[in-house]
Amino acid sequence: EVQLVESGGGLAQPGGSLRLSCAASGFTFSSYAMGWVRQAPGKGLEWVSTISGSGGRISYADSVKGRFTISRDNSKDTLYLQMNSLRAEDTAVYYCAKVPYSGSYHFAYWGQGTLVTVSS
Amino acid sequence: SYVLTQPPSVSVAPEKTASISCGGNNIGSKSVHWYQQKPGQAPVLVIFYDGDRPSKIPERFSGSNSGNTATLTISRVEAGDEADYYCQVWDSSSDVWVFGGGTKLTVL
Repeated sequence: EVQLVESGGGLAQPGGSLRLSCAASGFTFSSYAMGWVRQAPGKGLEWVSTISGSGGRISYADSVKGRFTISRDNSKDTLYLQMNSLRAEDTAVYYCAKVPYSGSYHFAYWGQGTLVTVSS
Repeated sequence: SYVLTQPPSVSVAPEKTASISCGGNNIGSKSVHWYQQKPGQAPVLVIFYDGDRPSKIPERFSGSNSGNTATLTISRVEAGDEADYYCQVWDSSSDVWVFGGGTKLTVL
């Protein structure tokens, strides 16, 4: 059974940093692209970033480009999101998600999310 | 950047059919995916590649995509279908994933 468990959320000050982690299990982690999707309180879903199984292909939403870095450690079956220069508008629940098979561009599996609050 | 437009809300009576639209420029040339999200829960994929259903999703859920509009159709609506629904595409020209703004489905 696919399991995705996010951690690392919490309170950060504007301009500060946080690193989110997503521990994956139940599948061959290195074979699948992974991504982060966020949801601000009371708002809709917003795609943040996606990384290929090897880590060689990465894409970002314009809203986080240059501030956030997605990465993965295939030896640890873990996905990361390094968030720098945080802003109030980055406050959201951050979901880790997995594509169903290689070459797909949708997410079939989602974690339960971790809340990031950016406030002074 | 590519934009997906959904109606903020749709209301339907039980046992009737609900249709949720997702508009985008020539969206018919893209693959559209749909997610259901209930309060306090993570999204769940209900339709992928325009009209395919994951195995655990009831046959009452279907999808279509043509021209500038994709549609999620839920037949014989049940109270348990009340949720927010989001469409999503991958824009190959810019390699970005795009979500629609979401539609709140209310079962009367």
